[in-house]
Amino acid sequence: EIVLTQSPDFQSVTPKEKVTITCRASQSIGSSLHWYQQKPDQSPKLLIKYASQSISGVPSRFSGSGSGTDFTLTINSLEAEDAATYYCHQSSSLPHFGPGTKVDIK
Amino acid sequence: QVQLVQSGAEVKKPGASVKVSCKASGYTFTSYGISWVRQAPGQGLEWMGWISAYNGNTNYAQKLQGRVTMTTDTSTSTAYMELRSLRSDDTAVYYCARDRVGATGPVDYWGQGTLVTVSS
Repeated sequence: EIVLTQSPDFQSVTPKEKVTITCRASQSIGSSLHWYQQKPDQSPKLLIKYASQSISGVPSRFSGSGSGTDFTLTINSLEAEDAATYYCHQSSSLPHFGPGTKVDIK
Repeated sequence: QVQLVQSGAEVKKPGASVKVSCKASGYTFTSYGISWVRQAPGQGLEWMGWISAYNGNTNYAQKLQGRVTMTTDTSTSTAYMELRSLRSDDTAVYYCARDRVGATGPVDYWGQGTLVTVSS
């Protein structure tokens, strides 16, 4: 089973700050890594697919990079509406979600 | 527009079964798969399994093998997830989400979630 870890677990940031969230896979998954945003009491929302491919309708401040075992989600110039929990998800083998990173606004 | 509408909240006793439905609209149902994901209160997302709406192929999480069954009814564009021998730690919000047809991939549209509470 391919397991994902995320860091940090929690981040408190000010608006306009840059946020970087990392996701590490226990073995290589190529680019089969996707990122989601979940706000309280809402369903998750797909932000980035296949490590770096953008999704229509998602603000351009969200970007992804990486391949193999190490991946990064970057939020440039954070806005207040970006307060949420962010999850990575691998679909290479039996799918698995990372534990999540909660982003709070100072 | 793509929509996945799930059935309503359920309260079940330990040992019982639950069947959650997910009605799809706004796209060709048999051109995609459906993944099921659950979220226990205050916890993260847990992938439960996937079904192809094209041919009914399934792939289940190892920890749920033997207790979960996923099916589809292409005549009504509805997917179903049945979980048996319920335990208290099955209490969670259950989501269906649109996935790839041939294998799992990114899930791009999600249902609103169905709360299943298991309590004696």
